[in-house]
Amino acid sequence: IAGITQAPTSQILAAGRRMTLRCTQDMRHNAMYWYRQDLGLGLRLIHYSNTAGTTGKGEVPDGYSVSRANTDDFPLTLASAVPSQTSVYFCASSESGTPNEKLFFGSGTQLSVL
Amino acid sequence: QQQVKQSPQSLIVQKGGISIINCAYENTAFDYFPWYQQFPGKGPALLIAIRPDVSEKKEGRFTISFNKSAKQFSLHIMDSQPGDSATYFCAASLSGNFNKFYFGSGTKLNVKP
Repeated sequence: IAGITQAPTSQILAAGRRMTLRCTQDMRHNAMYWYRQDLGLGLRLIHYSNTAGTTGKGEVPDGYSVSRANTDDFPLTLASAVPSQTSVYFCASSESGTPNEKLFFGSGTQLSVL
Repeated sequence: QQQVKQSPQSLIVQKGGISIINCAYENTAFDYFPWYQQFPGKGPALLIAIRPDVSEKKEGRFTISFNKSAKQFSLHIMDSQPGDSATYFCAASLSGNFNKFYFGSGTKLNVKP
């Protein structure tokens, strides 16, 4: 069982380019999340989805979009990347999205926007 | 403005020593306080969690101490081992605030052999 798979592992991107970070889970979890991790700031929620077909905004959603066409996949898109989006991005999931649930994280995508 | 403040940013402990990481929060409505452990190149993984109706929770060498009146909670790692070297994040969430976890800024722990 892989859990959560993120791709790519790392990417260098020119500013202004479009980029989609992929996330797939095989645990049949209803809720999925995207976090960014920056030194000194911890993990901040970008977007989340409680179930297929629904999405919501987190703490830092500007410049990012997500979709949830099915239970397993939750891609994160940067429509026009900017240097401030240089970060490590983690996809996570939980069983149902109810408060106080355990989060399962992928191994992350290191993104550098130049 | 961070909802959960964590300190120290980094910590060096000798093998066998006690590692202590502290977190403070403002929102008294928070009712779940997990700690996540992250090894280099990996995503965070749940280590231990506590609810505010108890003052302490212990799992093996890991203990959470919770002080509701001071709005603080801490992670204690007893008999610290080199394998405990990782980054630790505290977090808080509240019932009714679907999906929202507020993470601290992280503490990088280095346990020297």
